[in-house]
Amino acid sequence: KAGVTQTPRYLIKTRGQQVTLSCSPISGHRSVSWYQQTPGQGLQFLFEYFSETQRNKGNFPGRFSGRQFSNSRSEMNVSTLELGDSALYLCASARVPIYGYTFGSGTRLTVV
Amino acid sequence: GQQLNQSPQSMFIQEGEDVSMNCTSSSIFNTWLWYKQDPGEGPVLLIALYKAGELTSNGRLTAQFGITRKDSFLNISASIPSDVGIYFCAGPGNNNDMRFGAGTRLTVKP
Repeated sequence: KAGVTQTPRYLIKTRGQQVTLSCSPISGHRSVSWYQQTPGQGLQFLFEYFSETQRNKGNFPGRFSGRQFSNSRSEMNVSTLELGDSALYLCASARVPIYGYTFGSGTRLTVV
Repeated sequence: GQQLNQSPQSMFIQEGEDVSMNCTSSSIFNTWLWYKQDPGEGPVLLIALYKAGELTSNGRLTAQFGITRKDSFLNISASIPSDVGIYFCAGPGNNNDMRFGAGTRLTVKP
């Protein structure tokens, strides 16, 4: 069965621009979470969506937003990019989160 | 909030050696998950633990859910080069957001 698909794999953006990342979860998984991974900070929780509703939100500024569509696909958006937003952004999906998430390969965002 | 503290931060071992790493928290967790991340990929679930005292194996990997529910251990026996990667512990926070430790980076020398 297909895994979690994230697009694009790599992205280079300029400070001040905005970016949209996409995630297609495993079929039947309605919970989708997003994480930011940097070498110094590890995996930081951004938000979780379930059935098109944001259930949880991490401690990130309002420049970070997301949404989930009726087919469970999810997007996250970062506006007014800063150099510190350079990171690997990981999407993960689950049927029941406490049984463990399945992660995508991530989108590596570089802000220059 | 509920933080997960992993140790050690990194390990350099010889192929064939056994490895032990742990994860602790100041708060109780009802679930402990262990993940492994290979370079350039997302983390992959290795073992899930749901009961205090539970001991679960997955091949050469063994993980235990601490009795106090504030810690968990992961052991790897007879390490091989493909065990290289970053190992993360994780557990659901108070808001059911999945929290991750900072990871243990494992290097295996042939």
